[in-house]
Amino acid sequence: DTEVTQTPKHLVMGMTNKKSLKCEQHMGHRAMYWYKQKAKKPPELMFVYSYEKLSINESVPSRFSPECPNSSLLNLHLHALQPEDSALYLCASSLNTGELFFGEGSRLTVL
Amino acid sequence: AQSVTQLGSHVSVSEGALVLLRCNYSSSVPPYLFWYVQYPNQGLQLLLKYTSAATLVKGINGFEAEFKKSETSFHLTKPSAHMSDAAEYFCAVSEDTPLVFGKGTRLSVIA
Repeated sequence: DTEVTQTPKHLVMGMTNKKSLKCEQHMGHRAMYWYKQKAKKPPELMFVYSYEKLSINESVPSRFSPECPNSSLLNLHLHALQPEDSALYLCASSLNTGELFFGEGSRLTVL
Repeated sequence: AQSVTQLGSHVSVSEGALVLLRCNYSSSVPPYLFWYVQYPNQGLQLLLKYTSAATLVKGINGFEAEFKKSETSFHLTKPSAHMSDAAEYFCAVSEDTPLVFGKGTRLSVIA
């Protein structure tokens, strides 16, 4: 299994809602990542988990809350988001700090 | 600090013509270098990677790239463009930190 699976593929939420994005991999990778990608831009790193511990937080606002329940799962909890947070959210995993394996992404729209 | 510069935000070629997408890197140590492709509304897919084993790297879909240390370049080429190659292409570099992406080059293929 060489896939990173993200759910949901599309999410529409209001600014007062609480929702979560989910990511799963079964490749035995010990590093997992959240990226945010706006249209016509490269992915921007948000968070990195290494061995289930948060190792990098790129000064992301607290309305984004990551969670790594186990080595295969990564969640991104969303609360009180702003319209400018609308973007494609990409999950990725890796064996080390080299090649990343990406999921198909979750397209988030904040109304 | 590591970085990559992709020359040309948009490249347009005729079907059957040579594809050349340019990437220059900046790194204080021999880096790992990657090319990823992103089709509309999808995640990123690895095309090829350089990890110091060989300077000419062959990837999927007929793409290849040559690592040139003297020019600090890692340009992506394909001898004959297909319509299906139309996509966004990202060059990325990694030392001991998560991947750093270039700004991307959009490839259009004209019939």
